[in-house]
Amino acid sequence: GEEVAQTPKHLVRGEGQKAKLYCAPIKGHSYVFWYQQVLKNEFKFLISFQNENVFDETGMPKERFSAKCLPNSPCSLEIQATKLEDSAVYFCASSQEQGRIYGYTFGSGTRLTVV
Amino acid sequence: KQEVTQIPAALSVPEGENLVLNCSFTDSAIYNLQWFRQDPGKGLTSLLLIQSSQREQTSGRLNASLDKSSGRSTLYIAASQPGDSATYLCAPHTGTASKLTFGTGTRLQVTL
Repeated sequence: GEEVAQTPKHLVRGEGQKAKLYCAPIKGHSYVFWYQQVLKNEFKFLISFQNENVFDETGMPKERFSAKCLPNSPCSLEIQATKLEDSAVYFCASSQEQGRIYGYTFGSGTRLTVV
Repeated sequence: KQEVTQIPAALSVPEGENLVLNCSFTDSAIYNLQWFRQDPGKGLTSLLLIQSSQREQTSGRLNASLDKSSGRSTLYIAASQPGDSATYLCAPHTGTASKLTFGTGTRLQVTL
């Protein structure tokens, strides 16, 4: 498709529970990026993939966060043992290359609320 | 580390005004810069992508300029409308890090 599809739109988890978010990139886009938006406009880069390989994971909190992009499946971002501070909107973006020429296309986000 | 600042943080204007949103960034080694719009509770919509070799890019009532060497970009909105009310974000794509860094955003309200 021509849009980046993120599911679910909203997710509520009790503290300590697991959360799993999904992202289907635009067909033909080989790069996928995950960003976390906390507060109003603070975007934090988490991780990027080139196909199924991790490209850059410098923003990932290693202890509880993990992500995968497997062939023929949506990419996923998983948070084990969620904490209140994980409440945020998680955005996924995809690009044909590293975004250097055509830029990024973002999904509509998944709002995670940890209670 | 790339740092991006947007001025003003918030702006309220009457319909019909032309306005300028400013973005400054500290690392000029960028591939491109994207301007996005975010409506409350919604995702990011790409408005304009300006390459590092370009000075300007236009789409309808929007015009973005880029001065890479001085680390500045501006988004010009002509004849503003209430439907333009949203938060506008600039995001340079930094070469060394190969990812977008977002600015702090400008929250725009256009009133009737």
